[in-house]
Amino acid sequence: AQRVTQPEKLLSVFKGAPVELKCNYSYSGSPELFWYVQYSRQRLQLLLRHISRESIKGFTADLNKGETSFHLKKPFAQEEDSAMYYCALILMDQGGKLIFGQGTELSVKP
Amino acid sequence: KAGVTQTPRYLIKTRGQQVTLSCSPISGHRSVSWYQQTPGQGLQFLFEYFSETQRNKGNFPGRFSGRQFSNSRSEMNVSTLELGDSALYLCASSLTGTSGTNNEQFFGPGTRLTVL
Repeated sequence: AQRVTQPEKLLSVFKGAPVELKCNYSYSGSPELFWYVQYSRQRLQLLLRHISRESIKGFTADLNKGETSFHLKKPFAQEEDSAMYYCALILMDQGGKLIFGQGTELSVKP
Repeated sequence: KAGVTQTPRYLIKTRGQQVTLSCSPISGHRSVSWYQQTPGQGLQFLFEYFSETQRNKGNFPGRFSGRQFSNSRSEMNVSTLELGDSALYLCASSLTGTSGTNNEQFFGPGTRLTVL
């Protein structure tokens, strides 16, 4: 079955430390993956997508088809990175249905 | 550009009632998707409308229905409400929908539905 798994509900790091939010997926088709972020009292918004291969706010994510992973990384966490992060997968063989992981709450302490 | 708007922001209903939620997409966006967010199940896809046609549907019972108007505004209806329908309902708009090339989803603030 298609699935997106974010194994950590909560990740707590200190400011300046590296951060990695894990995302694993299960999908037999060609994956198109995203990271969405929700800051406190704000709307869910797109952070980055794997096809863009870009760095947003210092975050990067590389699709590893062999390990079926799309981990989100940042070398030096900032307090303003504290938020809920959701990994999402488009099921292109199901008309583009978008499925989300359960989310990881990132807390960056001063 | 104005963002996605949802009305009402909060609703309290009792079991057995029905409810209609509204979503106005970003101007020019033809795709509207609906999601249910609960602490236990997380974000779950309900359905997607594109140019007034339902293009995709999640695994929800038939009590959940929707429609889209010619101006791309969308409504979601839940009939015979159950306690388990209590959730945050999010809508998102995009230019082409999730299966297109411009598939970034722009989310609204959500409607918080409480079923008593």
